[in-house]
Formats: sequence, C-alpha cells, structure tokens
Amino acid sequence: DQQVKQNSPSLSVQEGRISILNCDYTNSMFDYFLWYKKYPAEGPTFLISISSIKDKNEDGRFTVFLNKSAKHLSLHIVPSQPGDSAVYFCAASVKGGGSNYKLTFGKGTLLTVNP
Amino acid sequence: DTAVSQTPKYLVTQMGNDKSIKCEQNLGHDTMYWYKQDSKKFLKIMFSYNNKELIINETVPNRFSPKSPDKAHLNLHINSLELGDSAVYFCASSPLPSGGLVETQYFGPGTRLLVL
Repeated sequence: DQQVKQNSPSLSVQEGRISILNCDYTNSMFDYFLWYKKYPAEGPTFLISISSIKDKNEDGRFTVFLNKSAKHLSLHIVPSQPGDSAVYFCAASVKGGGSNYKLTFGKGTLLTVNP
Repeated sequence: DTAVSQTPKYLVTQMGNDKSIKCEQNLGHDTMYWYKQDSKKFLKIMFSYNNKELIINETVPNRFSPKSPDKAHLNLHINSLELGDSAVYFCASSPLPSGGLVETQYFGPGTRLLVL
C-alpha cells in the first residue's frame, strides 16, 4: 500500500532549466511533507519541507508547492545545476505525532541535469 | 566529524548467519531510527528508539533485534539471515519532536547487506 507515490522514476533536464519533481499521497492524515536528496553510496539528506498550513515554501533555488485538495506536492529546482543530479525522495508525516511520528517515503525520482 | 556513521559499509554473508550493523550519531539527538531500502527502492522504517526506549516497531520479523546501549548508539542485530534480507540499511537520528513539530532526520551513509 503505497501512501506516498512518485510516479516518475527518472527525469532529465538541461542545465539552467527548471526541474519539476512530483509526488502524490493518499493518506489524508499526512500534514507535513519533506524532500530528501540522495547521492549514490550516501544517505538521504534533508532538502526542504512544508507544513499543510502552507501551499508554498521556498529556499534558494528550491521551492515546494502543496496542493492539499489534490493530495499532490511538487519540488521545483530553478535553475537546475549538474550538481543537483541525484535521487529525490518525497516523504510525509503526521505533524504532532509526538515521539511516535515516522516518515513514509516514496520510491524516489532520479534527476539528471545535463550540462 | 561524521554526524551519523554506520559500520560496516558493505556486508556479504551466507544465509543462516547472524550479523550486526552498528550506528553512532554525534549530534546529541534523542531519537534514532533504522530504515530498510529494498530492491524496489522503497525506504521503509523498521524501528525507532527514543532515549534508548523502543518507540516504533514496524512489523519487522523478530530475527531483527535493535539494541541501544546509549542514546548515541543504535545497533541492529539480525539472526538467521535470509536472502530477502538483502538490502541497504540506513540509520538516522533526529532531535526529540517538540511543540508538535516534526524534526528533520539525519541519515547515515547506509550498509549494503548481501545475503548469499
């Protein structure tokens, strides 16, 4: 039962253009969402997050958009750089879950930014 | 000064063996986790410990036994290894959730386990 879905296993973009990574979720209890970035042979690293009370959060070149009615979020990277090439995981959680909170991850999308 | 470290990085072993993976964090976090990333690439939580106390156990076979000697360490012992245990195991840590906020989790580099 995939509660967090990243339907595109891979995405290829040109350097300088926008990268848009998508994520859908099914559990309406989720109210906090995170994006993690993972390079080969390394662990995931936190990139950006958004609470369900917002519909947009921006941090430099990275912006996350949340559409609660559609249960959909997206990560925009602009401009894309070759160093952004990595696997991007979408994750969701129930905020305020106390010490029992856990992250539910999608399968990830491999982003390749071509010079 | 690695924040979350795991040993070993690679582990190749025979079916039926018992093995351990160690995790240490120097971030002063109260909560530690074990995740499994299987061949389908899903990253799924297995266990969560908060100050040496088991908080989450996600229907993992009891061949898997986490042990937390102190809040900076969370080791994973696996008995009677099976082919299906082959995966990448990630350790993570986070501060204790407070004020209803979800805290960011910091991951180790992973341990690649191959059971032959």
